[in-house]
Amino acid sequence: NAGVTQTPKFQVLKTGQSMTLQCAQDMNHEYMSWYRQDPGMGLRLIHYSVGAGITDQGEVPNGYNVSRSTTEDFPLRLLSAAPSQTSVYFCASSYSVQGGGYTFGSGTRLTVV
Amino acid sequence: AQKVTQAQTEISVVEKEDVTLDCVYETRDTTYYLFWYKQPPSGELVFLIRRNSFDEQNEISGRYSWNFQKSTSSFNFTITASQVVDSAVYFCALSEGDSSGANNLFFGTGTRLTVIP
Repeated sequence: NAGVTQTPKFQVLKTGQSMTLQCAQDMNHEYMSWYRQDPGMGLRLIHYSVGAGITDQGEVPNGYNVSRSTTEDFPLRLLSAAPSQTSVYFCASSYSVQGGGYTFGSGTRLTVV
Repeated sequence: AQKVTQAQTEISVVEKEDVTLDCVYETRDTTYYLFWYKQPPSGELVFLIRRNSFDEQNEISGRYSWNFQKSTSSFNFTITASQVVDSAVYFCALSEGDSSGANNLFFGTGTRLTVIP
């Protein structure tokens, strides 16, 4: 029973590099989302998806792309990393569209130098 | 627009003291859900409680209790007889239920609790 799996756990990027943060869940949840956590700012929503083939922007989407080709996977892409994207990233999934319980991954700590 | 305010940035208490963490929310929806999460120093997010807007009953779980008051838009969290293991950052969060159909969580900025032995 893996829940939500995020990889990698740690990553250092140089400015301008691209990378994909992986998120996979094995609970058949329709809803998945990405958050970033910065000191003093809580968790802020980047992108979310209510099902395969459907994605939408959250509060802070600039600089990030997502896709949802399967129910299980929801990768987050940084096309050209910037120091402002240094953060801890959390992926979450939920068993219902509204008000459902959320399962969070263990996070990815990203540093952009 | 939705908003969650945790005015207490940091709190320090001595072990065995009681402590209350405040959470005030704003939403135009009549159906919504409130959550508390704990983030220990290891960094993961630990779910503590979910409460829907139609259930104003207070809840107690061991040393933890929650006071939900719609009249003041507050969902406060009390730890009784605090322990060192309670040291963590605590987040209050809101999910709206009336609009859009999406299930987005909106977080407060968190309260860092330090329990001093």
